[in-house]
Amino acid sequence: NAGVTQTPKFQVLKTGQSMTLQCAQDMNHNSMYWYRQDPGMGLRLIYYSASEGTTDKGEVPNGYNVSRLNKREFSLRLESAAPSQTSVYFCASSPTYSGEYTEAFFGQGTRLTVV
Amino acid sequence: DAKTTQPPSMDCAEGRAANLPCNHSTISGNEYVYWYRQIHSQGPQYIIHGLKNNETNEMASLIITEDRKSSTLILPHATLRDTAVYYCIVRVAGWGSQGNLIFGKGTKLSVKP
Repeated sequence: NAGVTQTPKFQVLKTGQSMTLQCAQDMNHNSMYWYRQDPGMGLRLIYYSASEGTTDKGEVPNGYNVSRLNKREFSLRLESAAPSQTSVYFCASSPTYSGEYTEAFFGQGTRLTVV
Repeated sequence: DAKTTQPPSMDCAEGRAANLPCNHSTISGNEYVYWYRQIHSQGPQYIIHGLKNNETNEMASLIITEDRKSSTLILPHATLRDTAVYYCIVRVAGWGSQGNLIFGKGTKLSVKP
């Protein structure tokens, strides 16, 4: 099982460029999440999708958009990249969004640098 | 605002038990305590969770005080591979933004030979 797969693993963008971070999970999970992690910081939630067809803002949504393409895939788009968006981005999925058993499985991260 | 307080760092000798504390004095009756860890450069990994009772699995034990205002994660026989940042997270079991996994800064555990 691949679990949660993120692409690309590394990316360098110029200020103002756009790009989409891809995430796919093969565990038939209902819920998916995008986090960012800055150096020396904990993870901060950008957007989440409780189930296919729904998305909601998290703690730091500004500058990002998301698409829950289907149950497996949840993409994160930067429309006009800024240096402040330099970070490591993690995608995660969990079986359910409500209830106790929301063990989340994380991808290996995308390291994004905006110059 | 963080709902939990953890020491920024701790050391532990290899083979000894690692006891990682977490304060969550404002925890509500319907909030669970979750623990995750993050080994350098990898995605976070789920360890254990609990509501009131102590819990144990193949990775660790979770001890929650009777008043639920604090908890301790115990790694019974720490190895060098347990060196990581450990996150204590309090969340409700339900819909909405309060149910998300909000990570703080965690405790950096260093296991030394």
